[in-house]
Amino acid sequence: GAVVSQHPSWVICKSGTSVKIECRSLDFQATTMFWYRQFPKQSLMLMATSNEGSKATYEQGVEKDKFLINHASLTLSTLTVTSAHPEDSSFYICSATDRQGANYGYTFGSGTRLTVV
Amino acid sequence: DQQVKQNSPSLSVQEGRISILNCDYTNSMFDYFLWYKKYPAEGPTFLISISSIKDKNEDGRFTVFLNKSAKHLSLHIVPSQPGDSAVYFCAASAVKGGSEKLVFGKGTKLTVNP
Repeated sequence: GAVVSQHPSWVICKSGTSVKIECRSLDFQATTMFWYRQFPKQSLMLMATSNEGSKATYEQGVEKDKFLINHASLTLSTLTVTSAHPEDSSFYICSATDRQGANYGYTFGSGTRLTVV
Repeated sequence: DQQVKQNSPSLSVQEGRISILNCDYTNSMFDYFLWYKKYPAEGPTFLISISSIKDKNEDGRFTVFLNKSAKHLSLHIVPSQPGDSAVYFCAASAVKGGSEKLVFGKGTKLTVNP
């Protein structure tokens, strides 16, 4: 089945630095990828929708200059948290669509635990 | 405004019995519904889905029921096994409306006791 690889699985960074998270579709081409964040005991909140070759569409309340998304190829999307602060500490998850199968192609990565100190 | 609601934050069931997880939605544009299982610090794993043209979909021990008029769906797991213990998320999208975005509920933590 479809596999989405997310890297790194966890990262600790200092306040003010930037962190890049990668999301790769390993065996399919993903025209659309989604980025979510999840706070403890909360739901997955969609941050942005990333389409290959075009600008990402951000959800209301998500700062596009802080969360930079690049989807340069059909198999790779990156999320860069710029000038990270402790309140950005969260669990970030990507998902990609391949539009096949009963899942309608929503395959999730394993997530990245970001801790900003 | 929460469009997908899972009103029970937790559920405890005895091994071998049925687990019923409920989900309600408010957006009538939703036409595709999915259930995911999630462990801490991991991404969600797809379990089962249902299109709005159906009222039931079954896959092994998992069955999803959809009641469109009530805007309600439920996931039945039978028989429940200790390995089913996890957080279960209901999600919905408006595929025919051109939106592939998934909207998630807050999740229900299922504990299956041996």
